[in-house]
Amino acid sequence: DTGVSQDPRHKITKRGQNVTFRCDPISEHNRLYWYRQTLGQGPEFLTYFQNEAQLEKSRLLSDRFSAERPKGSFSTLEIQRTEQGDSAMYLCASTHPPAKQGNTGELFFGEGSRLTVL
Amino acid sequence: GDSVTQMEGPVTLSEEAFLTINCTYTATGYPSLFWYVQYPGEGLQLLLKATKADDKGSNKGFEATYRKETTSFHLEKGSVQVSDSAVYFCALSDVLIQGAQKLVFGQGTRLTINP
Repeated sequence: DTGVSQDPRHKITKRGQNVTFRCDPISEHNRLYWYRQTLGQGPEFLTYFQNEAQLEKSRLLSDRFSAERPKGSFSTLEIQRTEQGDSAMYLCASTHPPAKQGNTGELFFGEGSRLTVL
Repeated sequence: GDSVTQMEGPVTLSEEAFLTINCTYTATGYPSLFWYVQYPGEGLQLLLKATKADDKGSNKGFEATYRKETTSFHLEKGSVQVSDSAVYFCALSDVLIQGAQKLVFGQGTRLTINP
């Protein structure tokens, strides 16, 4: 296991369709994050999991968005009834438990899933 | 809330030039500070970090010093290479529930180095 893996890398969909992205974190990382990055901007926090528990959600995460991490390993991010404004790169990141990482906040990112809504 | 402001790009330099990318932050506490880099077609990678005031992070010839008095974390490199062409993001850590931390990013600065 060499890093955070995301699938698919690219998704093109029509407005109104549902899409789902998957993230496989680094195996010993119990903390998992989703971020969204639009063109020319930095990543914006969406949601955070510790093991299987979703502990925080950004106001950016509208009710059309849902994220799960059912067994505390991989995570999925689903967007229902996609809109053109959802077009972005969706990034997943994971990190160690705090005792291991020394509480520095360093995250390990996947390569992202790019969504284009037509 | 906490925020990060970066020097606007794009920045274009010649090989072996000196690089500075400015970053300032606003935070209520004492966050850790980071520079991440995104090479073309790749994911975000940590370049360097500093966890407290006056700490200097360094990696691959890049340096940044955590300046609490000016709330800054400017990225510098003495002699850039073509391979340094990438987008650079300054970030700070913000506390979430149960002691977890999230990153707050600046908007990124695209750097192009010409041979």
